[in-house]
Amino acid sequence: DAKTTQPPSMDCAEGRAANLPCNHSTISGNEYVYWYRQIHSQGPQYIIHGLKNNETNEMASLIITEDRKSSTLILPHATLRDTAVYYCIVRVTPFSQKLVFGQGTRLTINP
Amino acid sequence: GAGVSQSPSNKVTEKGKDVELRCDPISGHTALYWYRQRLGQGLEFLIYFQGNSAPDKSGLPSDRFSAERTGESVSTLTIQRTQQEDSAVYLCASSPRTGSGYTFGSGTRLTVV
Repeated sequence: DAKTTQPPSMDCAEGRAANLPCNHSTISGNEYVYWYRQIHSQGPQYIIHGLKNNETNEMASLIITEDRKSSTLILPHATLRDTAVYYCIVRVTPFSQKLVFGQGTRLTINP
Repeated sequence: GAGVSQSPSNKVTEKGKDVELRCDPISGHTALYWYRQRLGQGLEFLIYFQGNSAPDKSGLPSDRFSAERTGESVSTLTIQRTQQEDSAVYLCASSPRTGSGYTFGSGTRLTVV
């Protein structure tokens, strides 16, 4: 699986959009980009995934660059409950291989 | 059930004792994973089951660790002769074969004293 690079920490004001970047310059054509988050003392939570098109669901939007070497997770109106560690992972799917979690980005939403 | 269920939620054991952790995946999820998370650290892959295929045990840290799963149902992670460095939260996750994402349980917090 391709390696990802994320900033170790970010801050965002409550109510503003949180934009979390991820670099995956060695991604291959059949690898998807997945995002998970882990709120303190809980198990990780799936957020969204995509291959090359931008994706949106009830939680977030995922913007993938045309060359697929980077992506951005967007939380459009961040709340205090969005404070968590956010993990960007690339892997081949649909066949269920292990996800390799990096260190992620610790996002703090400030009131 | 509606989610991945793990038991017990907390376990305190004495060094040298064996422990068994249980995971009930979401019904119909063919894949099941175990991860470990030490305090303040990231998730460490332990083992992965996919249907009737041979499990991927590449993450098990030592031969004191073993896991079993019968078919596509419950899995148990066993740690023999526990050591203090085994103290961590042990997380289980399951996913359908078509894999829209994993669903994690709340974990078992293991403390070895």
